[in-house]
Amino acid sequence: KAGVTQTPRYLIKTRGQQVTLSCSPISGHRSVSWYQQTPGQGLQFLFEYFSETQRNKGNFPGRFSGRQFSNSRSEMNVSTLELGDSALYLCASSLRGSQETQYFGPGTRLLVL
Amino acid sequence: QQQVKQSPQSLIVQKGGISIINCAYENTAFDYFPWYQQFPGKGPALLIAIRPDVSEKKEGRFTISFNKSAKQFSLHIMDSQPGDSATYFCAASIGWNSGAGSYQLTFGKGTKLSVIP
Repeated sequence: KAGVTQTPRYLIKTRGQQVTLSCSPISGHRSVSWYQQTPGQGLQFLFEYFSETQRNKGNFPGRFSGRQFSNSRSEMNVSTLELGDSALYLCASSLRGSQETQYFGPGTRLLVL
Repeated sequence: QQQVKQSPQSLIVQKGGISIINCAYENTAFDYFPWYQQFPGKGPALLIAIRPDVSEKKEGRFTISFNKSAKQFSLHIMDSQPGDSATYFCAASIGWNSGAGSYQLTFGKGTKLSVIP
């Protein structure tokens, strides 16, 4: 079974731009969660989608948004990028949610200049 | 407010020794406690997980000890090997069956483990 894939793997943007990251979950998984990983704050939950519905959202500003498609693939969007948005963005999939094994992708490393 | 506190930040252990990483939580509604292992350039991978109805769970060289009254849990790596060198994260979540499920994992800040030959 193929693992969680994330595209692109690396991205460089400038302040004020917007960015869209993509995540393809493991086949059959319906839950997709997004996390931001930084050296200072560690792994922080962004949001979780299940069957195209956002079930939970972390404590991030409205510039961070996401969506899930009918095939469970998910995208997250960050608008009006700030320097502090530089991070590794991780996507995780599971069958139903956080209390099952969550399989993480390799992440997208975003650098905002 | 950090809900899961992890210590130490870094740990150096000799090959064959025991690595111990500790976590403490505040929210008594947490009922699922996984540990993740992350190698450089990779996403975290589930290592072992425990629920509060048991005090210990062992899988190979990895053991979780859980103390519900103290709101603490720890990871023990027996016979530590250089290949265990990675960053380890503890985490916690609230089950959806409780009616207050949050569907999110709250992570500790990680422990960088280095096992030296």
